[in-house]
Amino acid sequence: GQNIDQPTEMTATEGAIVQINCTYQTSGFNGLFWYQQHAGEAPTFLSYNVLDGLEEKGRFSSFLSRSKGYSYLLLKELQMKDSASYLCAVRDSNYQLIWGAGTKLIIKP
Amino acid sequence: NAGVTQTPKFRVLKTGQSMTLLCAQDMNHEYMYWYRQDPGMGLRLIHYSVGEGTTAKGEVPDGYNVSRLKKQNFLLGLESAAPSQTSVYFCASSILAGGSETQYFGPGTRLLVL
Repeated sequence: GQNIDQPTEMTATEGAIVQINCTYQTSGFNGLFWYQQHAGEAPTFLSYNVLDGLEEKGRFSSFLSRSKGYSYLLLKELQMKDSASYLCAVRDSNYQLIWGAGTKLIIKP
Repeated sequence: NAGVTQTPKFRVLKTGQSMTLLCAQDMNHEYMYWYRQDPGMGLRLIHYSVGEGTTAKGEVPDGYNVSRLKKQNFLLGLESAAPSQTSVYFCASSILAGGSETQYFGPGTRLLVL
């Protein structure tokens, strides 16, 4: 079966750095996405990886290792507004997105 | 541009009642999707459409029907609601299904079935 694993919840301090991991087992791989979802709102796109390596976008970076079925989202200089759930999704061989349950990130002052 | 909109935002149904959820997008996207989101689970695909007049089943299609009569609209129907269909429903759209093309989500419809 297809499976995406992420930690359920993480806590970090304002101004610090946090890494959210995602491991996946899917039928085929056509890219990995990270989305941010604030409570009661819709998911919004953060990053996309299809090749191994690091993609940097401002305070957010995303890393992919296809051989290990592993990705992480790195958030730097954490702000209170970064408190949200972070969803990992993999596009499979049918070009459908398979979603993880999300990681709820709590930022403390 | 309004992006992706959903109607209604919230609804309470009794078991056995029917309803239709409306999704509209003004981005001229070909692909549209209906997901449900439940606590502790990832988004699950109910049905999707790759263009006007086409629909296909996703991971959890049972108890739902869809129609895409116009490119900009994607309707999700519940013929006979059950408590197991209590969920948050998200509609999404994208230009394509491949490459870095991301899906854009509507604000969601919160459905409670009693």
